Amino acid sequence: DQQVKQNSPSLSVQEGRISILNCDYTNSMFDYFLWYKKYPAEGPTFLISISSIKDKNEDGRFTVFLNKSAKHLSLHIVPSQPGDSAVYFCAASARGGSEKLVFGKGTKLTVNP
Amino acid sequence: DVKVTQSSRYLVKRTGEKVFLECVQDMDHENMFWYRQDPGLGLRLIYFSYDVKMKEKGDIPEGYSVSREKKERFSLILESASTNQTSMYLCASSSPVISGSYEQYFGPGTRLTVT
Repeated sequence: DQQVKQNSPSLSVQEGRISILNCDYTNSMFDYFLWYKKYPAEGPTFLISISSIKDKNEDGRFTVFLNKSAKHLSLHIVPSQPGDSAVYFCAASARGGSEKLVFGKGTKLTVNP
Repeated sequence: DVKVTQSSRYLVKRTGEKVFLECVQDMDHENMFWYRQDPGLGLRLIYFSYDVKMKEKGDIPEGYSVSREKKERFSLILESASTNQTSMYLCASSSPVISGSYEQYFGPGTRLTVT
């Protein structure tokens, strides 16, 4: 049973436009969410996170929105740059429980010049 | 900055060989993890460890074992490599006590090919 779902395997946007990556989760115990970015042949790097006590967190061009009632989060990248082209993974954790992260399958973002 | 290093970036082994993948972190993190990443399947947890000499199975432990004799080092062992273990292997560490979050720090990965 997939607890964290990224339903879009790929996304293509033009440079300068907004990229929106989506993530849905099923486990209501999840209360901490992270986004990672991964280039080919490299390990994932942490991008941004959000706790369930918030509904928005912003860091430069990156903003994560959390809708707890819908069990949905999204990552917005504005403006998108060619260097943002990578695979983006959504991950979730439940505080007070295991310290594992549950990852989605990833969305490959391509930003075209 | 946290640094997680993995012993090899690329590795080619033959079917049936015993394979050791080593991971070292330099930030005194208590948690360490081994994942494999395959196209379309995301990151899948193989094993993790909360402390020295402690290990727990992840989602896909079959065919693998681990060893953690020192806090900074976590080894993944393929007892008898098979072609379906050809994959990218990623090690990670974390410490909610130190960092205040569940963020995991990843190594660069080892691309293992079993022929």
